[in-house]
Amino acid sequence: AQTVTQSQPEMSVQEAETVTLSCTYDTSESDYYLFWYKQPPSRQMILVIRQEAYKQQNATENRFSVNFQKAAKSFSLKISDSQLGDAAMYFCAYKSNTGKLIFGQGTTLQVKP
Amino acid sequence: GAGVSQSPRYKVAKRGQDVALRCDPISGHVSLFWYQQALGQGPEFLTYFQNEAQLDKSGLPSDRFFAERPEGSVSTLKIQRTQQEDSAVYLCASSLEGGGLYEQYFGPGTRLTVT
Repeated sequence: AQTVTQSQPEMSVQEAETVTLSCTYDTSESDYYLFWYKQPPSRQMILVIRQEAYKQQNATENRFSVNFQKAAKSFSLKISDSQLGDAAMYFCAYKSNTGKLIFGQGTTLQVKP
Repeated sequence: GAGVSQSPRYKVAKRGQDVALRCDPISGHVSLFWYQQALGQGPEFLTYFQNEAQLDKSGLPSDRFFAERPEGSVSTLKIQRTQQEDSAVYLCASSLEGGGLYEQYFGPGTRLTVT
């Protein structure tokens, strides 16, 4: 079975600085997809960024980028120029072709002004 | 356009009561997922529909949990004889298709408290 591990329960970053959230996963599949979702307090889960496992190039979305290391089964999220609105719980998620998402435990990100 | 909606947003049930949670997916989305999220934890998969067909119900924790999507749009998650361990936020998500890079769009969730 696939598992996703986020080893940082809480992270803190100064506004305008850069922070990296860690995620590792375990799978025997060769074809899968990885996602980072953001869940602000009392608000809906929204997609931040996604990556196909067969693509070596790291995905980027504006201030958000990933460092995907397939051999190491690592999928970290980098947030550049952090903003107060980035404060939220961030979840790393794995999806195989079955469709269901398998989530990590989450990392709470605090952004300090 | 409208996103995924869920109702009720909050539900308090006494232990032993039956509850029904509703999900209205985005129009045209074939796939619909239910997840259970305990406080401070990541969501856990419950079940998956493609149109009206329930393709995966491996995550349902017991036979007290039942989900349906009879016309391939609105879905209902029913929990019979609720127990305290059922207290959680129940999230619904829909996507154009289930697999691949298709994004799952989440609803606001229903917070169930069993007393």
